Amino acid sequence: DSGVTQTPKHLITATGQRVTLRCSPRSGDLSVYWYQQSLDQGLQFLIQYYNGEERAKGNILERFSAQQFPDLHSELNLSSLELGDSALYFCASSVGVMGGYTFGSGTRLTVV
Amino acid sequence: KNEVEQSPQNLTAQEGEFITINCSYSVGISALHWLQQHPGGGIVSLFMLSSGKKKHGRLIATINIQEKHSSLHITASHPRDSAVYICAVIFNTDKLIFGTGTRLQVFP
Repeated sequence: DSGVTQTPKHLITATGQRVTLRCSPRSGDLSVYWYQQSLDQGLQFLIQYYNGEERAKGNILERFSAQQFPDLHSELNLSSLELGDSALYFCASSVGVMGGYTFGSGTRLTVV
Repeated sequence: KNEVEQSPQNLTAQEGEFITINCSYSVGISALHWLQQHPGGGIVSLFMLSSGKKKHGRLIATINIQEKHSSLHITASHPRDSAVYICAVIFNTDKLIFGTGTRLQVFP
């Protein structure tokens, strides 16, 4: 157990649907990062939150949104799902830039 | 052009061989990570470097800031080292930019 908890581990849903992925960071880590890993694009940064505030944004589609709650857990919302959204979604947490990263085990999303 | 380049893309080795994976990046960085991803998908952070060299067991990571280059070495490789090794850097924010990964297979 890395200390970063992601749920669910697997998700199968239909095109057009909306899903929510959840991440609980390692205790004491204020930053939460979301990454997408698809077969053709590799690992891509989506978005970062630090202590509840959005800190940086990457290649995140407008159909996707995220938030970090006061207890520091984060949710990634994916809506109007398309087949191409099928991927592994990783959450990672860190204390700060030089604090090292801890990854969750990922959520495998399959859109059918 | 990818900001982070890794080589080789694929690597096969016999058990016991010394392995080197290289990573080059294009601009100044705050830190560099070496990550390991096993076939099951989970990602483990092996090292975080901002200068010099780090060692953990059979793994050694080095970084040359002036040359914008890092290497990951595995001594006495073992089949359980088979995984994808990913170099990732932090530029001017604290998000990671990833290399494309090196797929390593170690045969007994």
